[in-house]
Amino acid sequence: DTGVSQDPRHKITKRGQNVTFRCDPISEHNRLYWYRQTLGQGPEFLTYFQNEAQLEKSRLLSDRFSAERPKGSFSTLEIQRTEQGDSAMYLCASSLSPGQGTHYGYTFGSGTRLTVV
Amino acid sequence: DQQVKQNSPSLSVQEGRISILNCDYTNSMFDYFLWYKKYPAEGPTFLISISSIKDKNEDGRFTVFLNKSAKHLSLHIVPSQPGDSAVYFCAASLYSGGGADGLTFGKGTHLIIQP
Repeated sequence: DTGVSQDPRHKITKRGQNVTFRCDPISEHNRLYWYRQTLGQGPEFLTYFQNEAQLEKSRLLSDRFSAERPKGSFSTLEIQRTEQGDSAMYLCASSLSPGQGTHYGYTFGSGTRLTVV
Repeated sequence: DQQVKQNSPSLSVQEGRISILNCDYTNSMFDYFLWYKKYPAEGPTFLISISSIKDKNEDGRFTVFLNKSAKHLSLHIVPSQPGDSAVYFCAASLYSGGGADGLTFGKGTHLIIQP
């Protein structure tokens, strides 16, 4: 297993276009997270899945954003009608479910850098 | 409203000395804290964590200290090495054993280790 993979690494799109990113987590991890990071900021939580169920969405996730994890393995994040404010690094992470009193550190992918022009 | 604050955007330390990175938080409900390290063009890498029931956790050259009354934690790196040069993020979690556990990150501190 080579860790968390994200594709593509870079995406440049015109405002108003739709884009889709893919994340392949570590195979034995049942949790998958999407974060967004803009310049000078830390990563911001967007949403997460436990297996195929999307359990939480941040208020940052507007109705133009949708995420899926259809078979509990890979996940996709789609942004419709992109805006310049969507330009950011989109990070995917995976982990095991927290155990009693234990929080497993996430394993992050290298991210997809989106530029909306 | 920044719930996790890293007030030093950058820190320069001489190789071999101790690096101390600080983090403050405002939400007293946070009960798990983590440090991540990030190199350019890579995702953050998990470094070390601490539960709120502890005040210290050590892993090799890295030690995290937690002061709950002050809502403050710090990461100590001893001795500092050139490969430690990176951006360090502090993160906090509301662990609920099955509920939402999205991490809240600080803005990061860029640590520069000088030879």
